[in-house]
Amino acid sequence: AQKVTQAQTEISVVEKEDVTLDCVYETRDTTYYLFWYKQPPSGELVFLIRRNSFDEQNEISGRYSWNFQKSTSSFNFTITASQVVDSAVYFCALLYADTGTASKLTFGTGTRLQVTL
Amino acid sequence: DTEVTQTPKHLVMGMTNKKSLKCEQHMGHRAMYWYKQKAKKPPELMFVYSYEKLSINESVPSRFSPECPNSSLLNLHLHALQPEDSALYLCASSHHPRGGTGELFFGEGSRLTVL
Repeated sequence: AQKVTQAQTEISVVEKEDVTLDCVYETRDTTYYLFWYKQPPSGELVFLIRRNSFDEQNEISGRYSWNFQKSTSSFNFTITASQVVDSAVYFCALLYADTGTASKLTFGTGTRLQVTL
Repeated sequence: DTEVTQTPKHLVMGMTNKKSLKCEQHMGHRAMYWYKQKAKKPPELMFVYSYEKLSINESVPSRFSPECPNSSLLNLHLHALQPEDSALYLCASSHHPRGGTGELFFGEGSRLTVL
């Protein structure tokens, strides 16, 4: 079974603090993809990053960085020097390719990040 | 701006009404999806269309009826809904139905209230 766990329900930080959002996944597939999406109050899910199961390189994009570790089945997301505009719900998701006709995207329960001044 | 457009953004309907949600994308994607999201919950998959054919139905009640008239359009027909069906309905598309080659692009959603 495919499962994504985001243990942190809500996080509050003060602007300019660094914050890490945790994601742990379970899958028996050898080929899979991990994603992070941001959902601001407007409702749209905004794609942030995709990582495939064969690429464990960490990635940095501006203030965002991701740490993928297969050994611990984790794909954590760090925001450096957080800003008020980062306030949103962040979802980690697992896409597994080994299905009959289409892939399925399974979401974690999300972490609500509140950044205050 | 999102490249997946959903209309209407808000919809209020009674339990005896018939209404439709619409989704459109012009990115040449061949997979389209309907997700349902209740407040403070993650999106849940409802349907997947692969090359305009229904390939996944996650045991969704028949009062929800999807339709894919062409590769750019996806509809969700609603009839005899219940108040517990009130939610944000998200449409998404991706390049290919399987293989996990790319991310899903989501629209802003249609917020449905059933009275």
